[in-house]
Amino acid sequence: AQSVTQLDSQVPVFEEAPVELRCNYSSSVSVYLFWYVQYPNQGLQLLLKYLSGSTLVKGINGFEAEFNKSQTSFHLRKPSVHISDTAEYFCAVVAGTSYGKLTFGQGTILTVHP
Amino acid sequence: DGGITQSPKYLFRKEGQNVTLSCEQNLNHDAMYWYRQDPGQGLRLIYYSQIVNDFQKGDIAEGYSVSREKKESFPLTVTSAQKNPTAFYLCASSTVGGETQYFGPGTRLLVL
Repeated sequence: AQSVTQLDSQVPVFEEAPVELRCNYSSSVSVYLFWYVQYPNQGLQLLLKYLSGSTLVKGINGFEAEFNKSQTSFHLRKPSVHISDTAEYFCAVVAGTSYGKLTFGQGTILTVHP
Repeated sequence: DGGITQSPKYLFRKEGQNVTLSCEQNLNHDAMYWYRQDPGQGLRLIYYSQIVNDFQKGDIAEGYSVSREKKESFPLTVTSAQKNPTAFYLCASSTVGGETQYFGPGTRLLVL
């Protein structure tokens, strides 16, 4: 079985500062990795995904993430955040043998201050 | 516009009552999913279905039931056996063979 750990439950940051949201996973087989964003009282929107190929993945809204197989990590980064990036962010994994069954981390609340 | 709709946005349940949450998609996806979201716990899979008239239990299926009579629809019933139903419920869909799930706007269930 796979699992996901988001290392920070809350991340406060000032506007225009860089941010990194950390995600580690465990799985005995190959995985697909995802980051989703959730604004208050809304559904989840896909930010980016890693399926194969280049380990640096670019997504929407200026976010990017790097897959590191040796460290089993998939950290999300943005070089300069905006107030509108305030939301909850979820890391998720699908193991190659459990097709379609997403396992989510606990979520990281990003708060951007002016 | 293609997408997933969930209704109602808010739902109130009295003790001992069964309630049904609606999920409809027009993305022509074969697979559909139900998740429960509680603060600080992420999302947990309740049930999923990869084809009409077939569905499987997820990690927390007790106290819930589903049906999949049409490709577009995957309603979730929260039964009276679910003792702690207060949560945000999210429906998702994907192609079978597709690894990306797309989510609806959610239904918040509250107990009176």
